[in-house]
Amino acid sequence: EAQVTQNPRYLITVTGKKLTVTCSQNMNHEYMSWYRQDPGLGLRQIYYSMNVEVTDKGDVPEGYKVSRKEKRNFPLILESPSPNQTSLYFCASSARPEVVPEAFFGQGTRLTVV
Amino acid sequence: DAKTTQPTSMDCAEGRAANLPCNHSTISGNEYVYWYRQIHSQGPQYIIHGLKNNETNEMASLIITEDRKSSTLILPHATLRDTAVYYCIVRNSGNTPLVFGKGTRLSVIA
Repeated sequence: EAQVTQNPRYLITVTGKKLTVTCSQNMNHEYMSWYRQDPGLGLRQIYYSMNVEVTDKGDVPEGYKVSRKEKRNFPLILESPSPNQTSLYFCASSARPEVVPEAFFGQGTRLTVV
Repeated sequence: DAKTTQPTSMDCAEGRAANLPCNHSTISGNEYVYWYRQIHSQGPQYIIHGLKNNETNEMASLIITEDRKSSTLILPHATLRDTAVYYCIVRNSGNTPLVFGKGTRLSVIA
């Protein structure tokens, strides 16, 4: 089954403790991206990657890092999480972003930073 | 800011067609209309997209007016599982991120 898998689904952490949210897709898609969703603000793009070793900032990249060492994985790294990064995070992928920008989304990771 | 205007909410009887409108009066010639939906706190799901011709797939139909200033997403036989927030998004081809507005909350009622 074609899917985008995020882990963990839920995470509670403390301010300043580095964490990584993993994202993996099994469709051999070149394009992957990360969004965060907050009440009243909708979904906002954090980072995207057009291919292996190619990453670019989205609309809200501050406080986040990503890497794309292999095609299937696109982890989101919070080096020093802060409470304002408490949010619902989604990873997405697409074979043809110029046609369908985000064709498949993961199920989401709900992060709480205390 | 989202370039689209959608009603905040709509109800639809189960088994009937759900017609979700979207206004995008400032759409430019190279911008597509995309529809996604999000069932409560799940990941968004791509539904359909179009440029100027009407489109149909296994999930829905997309009707775009001739002047392209508005469109309608049609779910031909709504089920309870179609209850979700539906987002209409205008975007040109390329790598610009999707801008999700507030969408329309569709409630399918038994």
